[in-house]
Amino acid sequence: QSALTQPASVSGSPGQSITISCTGTSSDVGGYNYVSWYQQHPGKVPKLMIYDVSNRPSGVSNRFSGSKSGNTASLTISGLQAEDEADYYCSSYTSSSSLVFGGGTKLTVL
Amino acid sequence: EVQLVESGGGLVQPGGSLRLSCSAYGFTSRSYWMHWVRQTPGKGLVWVSRINGDGSSTSYADSVKGRFTISRDNAKNTLYLQMNSLRAEDTAIYYCARGPGASFDPWGQGTLVTVSS
Repeated sequence: QSALTQPASVSGSPGQSITISCTGTSSDVGGYNYVSWYQQHPGKVPKLMIYDVSNRPSGVSNRFSGSKSGNTASLTISGLQAEDEADYYCSSYTSSSSLVFGGGTKLTVL
Repeated sequence: EVQLVESGGGLVQPGGSLRLSCSAYGFTSRSYWMHWVRQTPGKGLVWVSRINGDGSSTSYADSVKGRFTISRDNAKNTLYLQMNSLRAEDTAIYYCARGPGASFDPWGQGTLVTVSS
């Protein structure tokens, strides 16, 4: 049950687009279309932003999108806004019927 | 409104036990997988355990297997996590989360477990 690999930090200016990667293996990310993404502001509870690779829950801005290629999933945020500054985590279902998170990525809006 | 409320956290000595509860409101919990996720303050999220709708199937992270037990009482719309043989490294905020499929939504507000002598 090794954690998925995410960059520790990414940054971008308001209005720009950024992409956060989430790399796993064929036993998790690559094997299932069950990748999710969460946003967590300091001191707050995580919030679901993307589920099943590319689906947005009701109420989540369409500036957030998800995709997957092989063993790597990606979260793209377009039209970056100050309120997007937060930690982002990916998660995936695994072949052992468990789930696993990535280590988290701190997004800084410059 | 869909809401999850955890309770049962606190300070416990190494080797001790604690039972966490998570009460569900606004939905019928038996229709969903339910999860426990923990987070050491300032660190990342770690999945701990999950249980299916009728309680017949469970799964655990390797770090808690054999020490933690997840269960549910659908009549009470409540999820539990029995934690035994607690270690300092189990210190964390414990969140319960509803699992629509293999995602977590919503999350409870969390309950802090501190393992220390």
